[in-house]
Amino acid sequence: EDQVTQSPEALRLQEGESSSLNCSYTVSGLRGLFWYRQDPGKGPEFLFTLYSAGEEKEKERLKATLTKKESFLHITAPKPEDSATYLCAALIQGAQKLVFGQGTRLTINP
Amino acid sequence: GAGVSQSPRYKVAKRGQDVALRCDPISGHVSLFWYQQALGQGPEFLTYFQNEAQLDKSGLPSDRFFAERPEGSVSTLKIQRTQQEDSAVYLCASSLGNRWGISFGSGTRLTVV
Repeated sequence: EDQVTQSPEALRLQEGESSSLNCSYTVSGLRGLFWYRQDPGKGPEFLFTLYSAGEEKEKERLKATLTKKESFLHITAPKPEDSATYLCAALIQGAQKLVFGQGTRLTINP
Repeated sequence: GAGVSQSPRYKVAKRGQDVALRCDPISGHVSLFWYQQALGQGPEFLTYFQNEAQLDKSGLPSDRFFAERPEGSVSTLKIQRTQQEDSAVYLCASSLGNRWGISFGSGTRLTVV
């Protein structure tokens, strides 16, 4: 069964304290690994897609990396406005659907 | 419009009532998806359309759930005889196709009382 697991479930950081969020996946075949940000009451907002192991993408304070078993979302010197739930999702070979993890709820304290 | 638009934003239904949720995808987007998101969980796939063809409905939880996209643009998710377990946020997403980002709407929060 295709499965995506995110850790930790929740993370509190001080402003400027860098950290990483983990996304482990066990899928029949990976076409792409997506990262989204979701604010309360809103839909997921697209951040990155990674397609092959070793690939990295950056956007402002965020950098996403991919291995054959997991992906990391690194956040460098975060600010309070980075507080949100971060979702990762695997796009499965032979299907047009994303399998999501349960999300990491990130809180950045000023 | 600039993004995926969903209506209504909130819907309260009495148990047993039928509901219809609407999705306007981004103009020109071929692919359209419906997801269900329970509180504190990640979205779960319901169904997928390519233009007007429903190519995957494997995630629909029961035959009370029905989706259509008759002209390949606007889509409607219908839930018949709603039950309390149907309470969730229903998200619509659209995409240009393979290897393109999938954009989500803000969702419809359905509460069945």
